[in-house]
Amino acid sequence: DAGITQSPRHKVTETGTPVTLRCHQTENHRYMYWYRQDPGHGLRLIHYSYGVKDTDKGEVSDGYSVSRSKTEDFLLTLESATSSQTSVYFCAISALEGQTSYNEQFFGPGTRLTVL
Amino acid sequence: AQSVTQLGSHVSVSEGALVLLRCNYSSSVPPYLFWYVQYPNQGLQLLLKYTSAATLVKGINGFEAEFKKSETSFHLTKPSAHMSDAAEYFCAVTLSGGSYIPTFGRGTSLIVHP
Repeated sequence: DAGITQSPRHKVTETGTPVTLRCHQTENHRYMYWYRQDPGHGLRLIHYSYGVKDTDKGEVSDGYSVSRSKTEDFLLTLESATSSQTSVYFCAISALEGQTSYNEQFFGPGTRLTVL
Repeated sequence: AQSVTQLGSHVSVSEGALVLLRCNYSSSVPPYLFWYVQYPNQGLQLLLKYTSAATLVKGINGFEAEFKKSETSFHLTKPSAHMSDAAEYFCAVTLSGGSYIPTFGRGTSLIVHP
């Protein structure tokens, strides 16, 4: 199994508080992603990173920010949590190999976040 | 741009019956296609992938999928369902020589009855 951990695994917080989720990998993969999973919506990309300090927005980035200061860590911050951000958050990693860009992803175990 | 459509949010089969989960894609260039499986309270794991080497792809746990360009489909099948196959299944696409960011379908929940 790919070495990907997420912390915390569960969190309950209140509306308006900042929250930071951490993704840590031991695979030295260049690419890292944050998704949220909600019933009926599948997986939606929040932000992704293609290298240290190189990040870009996904389709549902409003209200979220990310940082990547080291290859192994990718942080997701909810600047002021809202009830609509109650979800399960998954981190994923991938390594593009040479010219082969099919980009198989490996996923972490997820973080269940509840915003009251 | 690429997109993926999974037909049926829930599929119910009896143990021992054929499993067929449908995935259709849309892309302007040759695609790479994936099926991922998610067991309860876990992350996604790769089941199989199509990367243009062969149109019939075999994956783990007896699953296979066939790439049909004329039908823009990549349906997932298994001849005989097991109770342990009950899970959420996701189809995904990336583009050869294009965007490496995968696009996921909304998922199909496979229910297996004894």
